[in-house]
Amino acid sequence: EIVLTQSPATLSLSPGERATLSCGASQSVSSSYLAWYQQKPGLAPRLLIYDASSRATGIPDRFSGSGSGTDFTLTISRLEPEDFAVYYCQQYGSSPPLTFGGGTKVEIK
Amino acid sequence: EVQLVESGGGLVKPGGSLRLSCAASGFTFSSYSMNWVRQAPGKGLEWVSSISSSSSYIYYADSVKGRFTISRDNAKNSLYLQMNSLRAEDTAVYYCARGGRDSPFDYWGQGTLVTVSS
Repeated sequence: EIVLTQSPATLSLSPGERATLSCGASQSVSSSYLAWYQQKPGLAPRLLIYDASSRATGIPDRFSGSGSGTDFTLTISRLEPEDFAVYYCQQYGSSPPLTFGGGTKVEIK
Repeated sequence: EVQLVESGGGLVKPGGSLRLSCAASGFTFSSYSMNWVRQAPGKGLEWVSSISSSSSYIYYADSVKGRFTISRDNAKNSLYLQMNSLRAEDTAVYYCARGGRDSPFDYWGQGTLVTVSS
């Protein structure tokens, strides 16, 4: 089973600032099958990034993903008010379980 | 427009059973793997189970193996989760999501709340 560790647990930033979220895997993620999701309170998660660096349909270009192997990063170039939420990484490249990270909460400073 | 609509959640006593359903529309349901993901109150996301497009491959998290059964009816565009021997720790919002091994979870339902309590 691949364990995903997200850091930091909480990121306190102001609108307009840059956010850098990390996701570390306990073993290499096959074919960079790593996704990032955004979740707001009371809502279902929304796919942001797949295959480590591809933006999902309709996702603004201020969101970008990078990384390979065991180290992955989600960057939000300039935080908008609607970006304050919880972000999860997930690997879907190995045999199940299709694990999620523990999440990073991006909160307003 | 892709839509996934879960139903069947509710309050159940420990040891009881519940069957969740997920009605899919707006895409060719029979071509996609599907999943159940749950989220306990105030906690993160936990993958529960996956089923391939033709039901040939089925996987479960260790936490539900032997108690939960995933199934699908491609003629009815529906996904199911039969949950038996429910425990307090199964209390969560249950989401169905499209995707699976080698593909991200690109569409999610709104979720249905399952509460296991006496």
